[in-house]
Amino acid sequence: NAGVTQTPKFQVLKTGQSMTLQCAQDMNHNSMYWYRQDPGMGLRLIYYSASEGTTDKGEVPNGYNVSRLNKREFSLRLESAAPSQTSVYFCASSEGVGQTRSYTFGSGTRLTVV
Amino acid sequence: SQKIEQNSEALNIQEGKTATLTCNYTNYSPAYLQWYRQDPGRGPVFLLLIRENEKEKRKERLKVTFDTTLKQSLFHITASQPADSATYLCALNQAGTALIFGKGTTLSVSS
Repeated sequence: NAGVTQTPKFQVLKTGQSMTLQCAQDMNHNSMYWYRQDPGMGLRLIYYSASEGTTDKGEVPNGYNVSRLNKREFSLRLESAAPSQTSVYFCASSEGVGQTRSYTFGSGTRLTVV
Repeated sequence: SQKIEQNSEALNIQEGKTATLTCNYTNYSPAYLQWYRQDPGRGPVFLLLIRENEKEKRKERLKVTFDTTLKQSLFHITASQPADSATYLCALNQAGTALIFGKGTTLSVSS
């Protein structure tokens, strides 16, 4: 039972490069989320997808785009990476936004932008 | 503005004692509140959920209280063990929105 799988686990980018973080869940969850975690800032919501075909901005969406490819997959794209985007990125899923259900998190992608 | 505050960044206690972590919030009307555990280099793991109409929830050595008048949740670990050392995150949402997390409290249990 894999849960939420994120790839890659580590990545180093140069300023201005682009990349896509991949996330897949196998729990048949409707909703998926992208958070970033920085020291002293806690987990901050970047984007979420309440259901297949929908996406919404979170607290810190600037510099990111997302795609809900299908029910299982939700990707996060950095079009032109900046050092301020150095962070640990977590994908999560749940049965539904706002429902009384827990979130399942992936193990994270540690991204460094130099 | 909306805020979730976990009062201590770090809490150090001795093995066998009860750890009490605090989560306060302002300008939210949460439908429910959750607690997660995060170990270094790992994603958060769900521990407990408590609804707005519940005062207390227990699971083994864990207990959570939720006071919507005080806008506060307390998270207790009784008979704490070194294996309980981790960062504990409080999270809440309002109806129909995604979870918002506090910054966490890092608990260290010494033997």
